Amino acid sequence: QQQVKQSPQSLIVQKGGIPIINCAYENTAFDYFPWYQQFPGKGPALLIAIRPDVSEKKEGRFTISFNKSAKQFSLHIMDSQPGDSATYFCAANTGFQKLVFGTGTRLLVSP
Amino acid sequence: EAQVTQNPRYLITVTGKKLTVTCSQNMNHEYMSWYRQDPGLGLRQIYYSMNVEVTDKGDVPEGYKVSRKEKRNFPLILESPSPNQTSLYFCASSAPSGADTQYFGPGTRLTVL
Repeated sequence: QQQVKQSPQSLIVQKGGIPIINCAYENTAFDYFPWYQQFPGKGPALLIAIRPDVSEKKEGRFTISFNKSAKQFSLHIMDSQPGDSATYFCAANTGFQKLVFGTGTRLLVSP
Repeated sequence: EAQVTQNPRYLITVTGKKLTVTCSQNMNHEYMSWYRQDPGLGLRQIYYSMNVEVTDKGDVPEGYKVSRKEKRNFPLILESPSPNQTSLYFCASSAPSGADTQYFGPGTRLTVL
């Protein structure tokens, strides 16, 4: 069963746009929500992560918004660049590093 | 350089021919894990290991075996591969506490004919 639902499956934005990727979860025991970025031919790499005691976290152009009551979190990429074109995975963790991943969003930022 | 390495990177084999994909990390991490990545399904955990000689099943363990005899190595074994195991495989490692970041290897693309 899919414990973390991710949408959309793919996304195309123009350079400078703000793509938003959404994830929803059911398990209230999840206590860590990372986003991973994957370029073609590479393994996923941690981009940014949040814990449920905060509602927003920013690192550079990347922002996670977290809504604990709705059990949803999202990734926003400000001033997106062609170099941000990649596949993005949200994930959730109940501890002991057992990550559950979303199905991924393929982002294309056109020049 | 801190890294997770996997070998081979690409492998084409036939049904039933045993194979091993190796994984090694140089970060002295206790935790290691194997995932498979399939289109539309994301990354699914196959097996994980909390430390040497400690392994447990993930979400899709059927048809796979692992062993953890040394801290740095965590090989994935397919004793009788089948076409439905054609996939992209990733090994990952992390420290068990404090740092929740999992570091992924470059992936192994396996095709079973």
